[in-house]
Amino acid sequence: NAGVTQTPKFRVLKTGQSMTLLCAQDMNHEYMYWYRQDPGMGLRLIHYSVGEGTTAKGEVPDGYNVSRLKKQNFLLGLESAAPSQTSVYFCASSYMAVTLSSGLTQYFGPGTRLLVL
Amino acid sequence: AQKITQTQPGMFVQEKEAVTLDCTYDTSDQSYGLFWYKQPSSGEMIFLIYQGSYDEQNATEGRYSLNFQKARKSANLVISASQLGDSAMYFCAMRESFTPHAGGTSYGKLTFGQGTILTVHP
Repeated sequence: NAGVTQTPKFRVLKTGQSMTLLCAQDMNHEYMYWYRQDPGMGLRLIHYSVGEGTTAKGEVPDGYNVSRLKKQNFLLGLESAAPSQTSVYFCASSYMAVTLSSGLTQYFGPGTRLLVL
Repeated sequence: AQKITQTQPGMFVQEKEAVTLDCTYDTSDQSYGLFWYKQPSSGEMIFLIYQGSYDEQNATEGRYSLNFQKARKSANLVISASQLGDSAMYFCAMRESFTPHAGGTSYGKLTFGQGTILTVHP
């Protein structure tokens, strides 16, 4: 049981290049999320998905696109990378829950370090 | 809008002592959830403990307990008997609301605080 995995672990891009970050989970979770973490700041939500084929914007969606064609995968795309997108990117997943007591705990992947030059 | 504030950029504690990491939150919602995550130097995010806004008792998980004071809108993390391996960044986070009694669903989006770096001295 791998949990949440992210590919790649580290990447260097030049300004204007594109790339896709892959997140995969094997826990049959309905919900998936993409966050970015910058120095001195907590994680900020980029996009999220509440099910296969559905996505929604989070707090900082500009410059990113996402897709959820399969329940277990959530892709984050950068069409034209900018230095401001240098960050650590975390994917997370959780069950859908209908009661407060379930907590809706999010389980995180190991992160992807992205450097845009 | 929801907001989480962690006012302690860094904390130091002696091994085997207890330490409290502060977290205050701001929300107009009646139902919400509060989480603490640990991020060691290796970078992964590790879930520690959860408290629901309707939970009357403070959550506990082993050496971790959450001191939940709803009226003060605080959700402090208490680590008892600190260990060297507790040295890490700690994040407080709040989940958006939903209506449990109506059977509503929550998308579970989390808002994070800025984090507190905890250093445990031998």
